[in-house]
Amino acid sequence: EPEVTQTPSHQVTQMGQEVILRCVPISNHLYFYWYRQILGQKVEFLVSFYNNEISEKSEIFDDQFSVERPDGSNFTLKIRSTKLEDSAMYFCASSRAYEQYFGPGTRLTVT
Amino acid sequence: QKEVEQDPGPLSVPEGAIVSLNCTYSNSAFQYFMWYRQYSRKGPELLMYTYSSGNKEDGRFTAQVDKSSKYISLFIRDSQPSDSATYLCAMSAAGGGNKLTFGTGTQLKVEL
Repeated sequence: EPEVTQTPSHQVTQMGQEVILRCVPISNHLYFYWYRQILGQKVEFLVSFYNNEISEKSEIFDDQFSVERPDGSNFTLKIRSTKLEDSAMYFCASSRAYEQYFGPGTRLTVT
Repeated sequence: QKEVEQDPGPLSVPEGAIVSLNCTYSNSAFQYFMWYRQYSRKGPELLMYTYSSGNKEDGRFTAQVDKSSKYISLFIRDSQPSDSATYLCAMSAAGGGNKLTFGTGTQLKVEL
């Protein structure tokens, strides 16, 4: 069964550093998403991406964040200058229609 | 008022019990409803998805949506210890590309 994959599973970085989180969505899906979940809190939407452009973003997704689909299979989330409060699980998801399938997540720890 | 409300639990039931999990919401624009299962520090796993009101059944799981009451439910029949997890409801106002708004999740424990 096809699934969304994410790398790395855990990333530790220092405050102010740039990080890139990588995702390989399910191959015939058209819509791609990033969400995050701070420990003990609910899953929060960051951004959706369709046809090589952002279709929707939340207020969390400020100028420090960017997304890219550099080739036909990968989908990336970049955080330019990480803050302590960026520590969270980051989930990539993809969909053909409205039902979204999530990857296993990348745990980002900012020290 | 939160957009999506879900009792965090924990909910503890004996093996074989019928489990009822519920969410209420305030945004009448929501039309697409999903239930996810999440194990600790793992990604949400899609269990059920429905559009608009009505019931949908898949194996031991039944999802119900009552848009007039802004209330959705997930029933689990013949619950097993392996069903122990956090169950998340999620919903969106439109189809592909639209953000999901999640509840906080209900922690379920099925005991032997």
